[in-house]
Amino acid sequence: EAQVTQNPRYLITVTGKKLTVTCSQNMNHEYMSWYRQDPGLGLRQIYYSMNVEVTDKGDVPEGYKVSRKEKRNFPLILESPSPNQTSLYFCASSLGLAGGTQYFGPGTRLTVL
Amino acid sequence: GQQLNQSPQSMFIQEGEDVSMNCTSSSIFNTWLWYKQDPGEGPVLLIALYKAGELTSNGRLTAQFGITRKDSFLNISASIPSDVGIYFCAGLRFGNEKLTFGTGTRLTIIP
Repeated sequence: EAQVTQNPRYLITVTGKKLTVTCSQNMNHEYMSWYRQDPGLGLRQIYYSMNVEVTDKGDVPEGYKVSRKEKRNFPLILESPSPNQTSLYFCASSLGLAGGTQYFGPGTRLTVL
Repeated sequence: GQQLNQSPQSMFIQEGEDVSMNCTSSSIFNTWLWYKQDPGEGPVLLIALYKAGELTSNGRLTAQFGITRKDSFLNISASIPSDVGIYFCAGLRFGNEKLTFGTGTRLTIIP
């Protein structure tokens, strides 16, 4: 089954404790992206990757890092999480962005105390 | 970063009613997409529009790419309970590999 998986689905952590949210897709997609969803603000892009070792900032990259060492994986790293990073995070992938269907993962709800 | 203005923010309708929502921008987009998000899940693509003036249907859903390229519309006819969720528009510009999302329209069906 074609899918995007994220782990963990739920995470409660404390300020400053480094964490990684994993994302994996099994569709051999080149394009992968991370979004955060906040009430009233919709989905905002954090980082995206056009292919292995090619990443670029989205609209809200501050406080986040990503890596793309393999085509299927695109982890999101929070080196020093802060409470304003409490949000619902989605990973997405597509064959190509222009006109391509973006498949979204199930989401990771992060709470930073 | 820019976000698209989506309206209304929320809608409360009765089953069987038709629904209309729209998305506007101060900038031109080359592709418009409409997504639906069910509670506890990620967004799922409903309709993609690629040309100004294009009108595309997917079952009871119809979406239009505005002539000015700065807006798009989504209509749902004869709503049913499973239409409940949040609807997002998204725009894409050529040469810019980033989707810009609207703020969402939350649809609730009143029994």
